[in-house]
This record gives sequence, structure tokens and C-alpha cells, in this order.
Amino acid sequence: ETGVTQSPTHLIKTRGQQVTLRCSSQSGHNTVSWYQQALGQGPQFIFQYYREEENGRGNFPPRFSGLQFPNYSSELNVNALELDDSALYLCASSQGSSGETQYFGPGTRLLVL
Amino acid sequence: QKEVEQNSGPLSVPEGAIASLNCTYSDRVSQSFFWYRQYSGKSPELIMSIYSNGDKEDGRFTAQLNKASQYVSLLIRDSQPSDSATYLCAVNVISSGSARQLTFGSGTQLTVLP
Repeated sequence: ETGVTQSPTHLIKTRGQQVTLRCSSQSGHNTVSWYQQALGQGPQFIFQYYREEENGRGNFPPRFSGLQFPNYSSELNVNALELDDSALYLCASSQGSSGETQYFGPGTRLLVL
Repeated sequence: QKEVEQNSGPLSVPEGAIASLNCTYSDRVSQSFFWYRQYSGKSPELIMSIYSNGDKEDGRFTAQLNKASQYVSLLIRDSQPSDSATYLCAVNVISSGSARQLTFGSGTQLTVLP
């Protein structure tokens, strides 16, 4: 167990809806990164939050947005869901803005119908 | 061109054998390299990190790094059926801003046969 928690574990949505996924980081960690993992692929970086600010972003459209709270927990929001958004969404926590070692939570499996 | 490439597998080895997993990467300035294990339906679990050229051993696992060749490998000695999983190679690269993002390969599926 990494101490990183995510909710919900599973979610089913329909195309065009909006979804919010949540993550609590490991104690002592102030950085949260979000990844999307499609079936049979490695995780792909969405963005990273450090001290409540987005400090890096991968190649994902603006309808993917996030927040980090003062307790370092984080949310990932996805608007206008598309079928291709169906994936495992992973949150990883680390220490510092250049946090080297990232520990993953259990993930949220999203299915868009 | 993919930034991190792994031998796609699947790879099958008999119980007790050595499993060898390989990974190459394209970003020459990368300094940190990781191996994650992912069981079916679960999230990635960190098993090894390596930062310097050479070998790093942890129990039955040995990670090898050659920065000149941009090559990382993972050896699993005395493979057990419980080692059956997908192994993900990850390279820590500088993203936009100051973020350090992990760039992953597609993974190698390992099956250890009893």
C-alpha cells in the first residue's frame, strides 16, 4: 500500500457528461500527478500539481482540468466526455516539484458509453 | 518516435529461470529510471529505481542502466509464478513548466510457468 487513495474506484458515464475524480496523496507528499492508462498501454501524463499550482501538462486538451487543495489532495475534471476517455485514471504522489519517485494510487476505472 | 520502447512480449519463462526485460529511451538528458510492476486490473507498483550507470540489486531484482546506449534492463532471478505481471519501464523527463513527468513504455507482459 502506497498511502495514496482515489475515489471512486469505478464510474460509468455517457458521452458529453462531465466527471470529477479525486485523489489523496501520501502523507508528507505535496505533489500530485495524473495519468491516463488505456487498455494495453502504458500510463500517459496528463498534468502535475505542486503546492496548488499546475506546474506541467502533457498532450491533453483543455477539457481535462484539475485542482489541488491546501491539504495536497487533488481533483481531475473531464468535461464533454468522449468514448476514447474510457481508461484507468491514475494519481501519483511525490515530494517536491521535481519529485523523482512517484507512488500510484489504486486508480479509477472510467467507462464512457 | 516513441520516447520509451520495451520489448513487447509476451514473455514466458519457466519457474526458477531468469527473466530479462529490456527498455530503450530517446531523451539523452534523462537521469532517473524506474521499473513498475502492474498486475492485471491493478495500478502500477514501484519495484526498482536506478540513477547511475551500472547494476543495482534488490533481492531477486537487478536493474541495469547504460546511459551511453540509452538502455535500461530488469533481471528477475529465480522467477516465481507470482512475478507474472506486466512490467512497465518509466523514464523521468522534464515536462512543460518545472514538472517531472514519468514517460512509460507500453509494458512487457511476463508469464512465469510453474
